[in-house]
Amino acid sequence: DADVTQTPRNRITKTGKRIMLECSQTKGHDRMYWYRQDPGLGLRLIYYSFDVKDINKGEISDGYSVSRQAQAKFSLSLESAIPNQTALYFCATSAEVSETQYFGPGTRLLVL
Amino acid sequence: DQQVKQNSPSLSVQEGRISILNCDYTNSMFDYFLWYKKYPAEGPTFLISISSIKDKNEDGRFTVFLNKSAKHLSLHIVPSQPGDSAVYFCAAIPWNSGNTPLVFGKGTRLSVIA
Repeated sequence: DADVTQTPRNRITKTGKRIMLECSQTKGHDRMYWYRQDPGLGLRLIYYSFDVKDINKGEISDGYSVSRQAQAKFSLSLESAIPNQTALYFCATSAEVSETQYFGPGTRLLVL
Repeated sequence: DQQVKQNSPSLSVQEGRISILNCDYTNSMFDYFLWYKKYPAEGPTFLISISSIKDKNEDGRFTVFLNKSAKHLSLHIVPSQPGDSAVYFCAAIPWNSGNTPLVFGKGTRLSVIA
């Protein structure tokens, strides 16, 4: 079984809708991250969490919110989706911030 | 302002030849560097890393070189194989970073031609 899972894997939604992307991990890591990937822009950090009580904004947090429900779960929400949030979204975990990050398989989101 | 730069968006190499992917950084506090590899429809996976106390780290066909004075690192793949075709991301962090997460470059798409 995969160590980092993301649901859904693909999602199509309409402008203005609220959508939640979920991430679960079985690696026992405290640190979890949400990134988005756009063509030519690489991986950009949206939010990160170093433990259940810690949430930090990343490079591009506007329009997003997160919830760290447990050590193993970190959810990303788009409160009111807009077309420029169409992207590939990745969750990642790490044991320490300076250590290797393990990525989930990604969620492909299309906002119409 | 980009702190980690991968100036070549794409690279094509013949099978069996050497692939060299480059990465430059601007933050002098960075002292630990990682390369990730990403196939389509999959998440990035860790490939190789190097800390600033070294100038070279080798793992099989993959070698990373670090030139601290030039703030430059490179990933060498020898010999290149078609299965190496992927997007490669360079990432950097200060070793004693506290709560600073990894900073990624924009990636280089490598195509290995059979």
